[in-house]
Amino acid sequence: AQKITQTQPGMFVQEKEAVTLDCTYDTSDPSYGLFWYKQPSSGEMIFLIYQGSYDQQNATEGRYSLNFQKARKSANLVISASQLGDSAMYFCAMRRGRQAGTALIFGKGTTLSVSS
Amino acid sequence: GAGVSQSPSNKVTEKGKDVELRCDPISGHTALYWYRQSLGQGLEFLIYFQGNSAPDKSGLPSDRFSAERTGGSVSTLTIQRTQQEDSAVYLCASSSPTQVEAKNIQYFGAGTRLSVL
Repeated sequence: AQKITQTQPGMFVQEKEAVTLDCTYDTSDPSYGLFWYKQPSSGEMIFLIYQGSYDQQNATEGRYSLNFQKARKSANLVISASQLGDSAMYFCAMRRGRQAGTALIFGKGTTLSVSS
Repeated sequence: GAGVSQSPSNKVTEKGKDVELRCDPISGHTALYWYRQSLGQGLEFLIYFQGNSAPDKSGLPSDRFSAERTGGSVSTLTIQRTQQEDSAVYLCASSSPTQVEAKNIQYFGAGTRLSVL
């Protein structure tokens, strides 16, 4: 069965520091997609970054990068130069199948708190 | 609007009543998803629509839950005879048919917080 594991319930970081949020996954499908979403207190899930299983390079989007280690089945999110606005819940997710319209499986999430 | 819109944002109901939750996807997005987010269970998939049909309803927890989509746009999730365990945030997402298969980003609304007393 496909599964996403986020082992850090909460992380604390100071402004301008980098932080890594852990995510491991389990799937037997050779083709899959990994996603990170941010959920601030307003409740909306905001897409941050995507990594495909066949992508040769780690994904980057501005201050977000994904440390993809396929053999270890890990897809850690790295946020560089943290900002106060980064305080939120972060979810790692995996697309459940090969077809474009299939659902996402989510981890339990990590709460990130950024202090000044 | 540009994003996924959900209404109401909050709903308080009494046990046993029926509720309807609405989702307006991003214009042009043919795929629509409903998820439920509760404290103990995290985010769970409920149902997926492609156009007006629902090829995957595997996440609906019981026959009290149903959903429909009309005109390939607005979707309504209906919960009949609500129970206290139905209390959760119900999130809707949509995605574009033009994205390449593997990526297919789902864009979420802000959710409806349902409280069953």
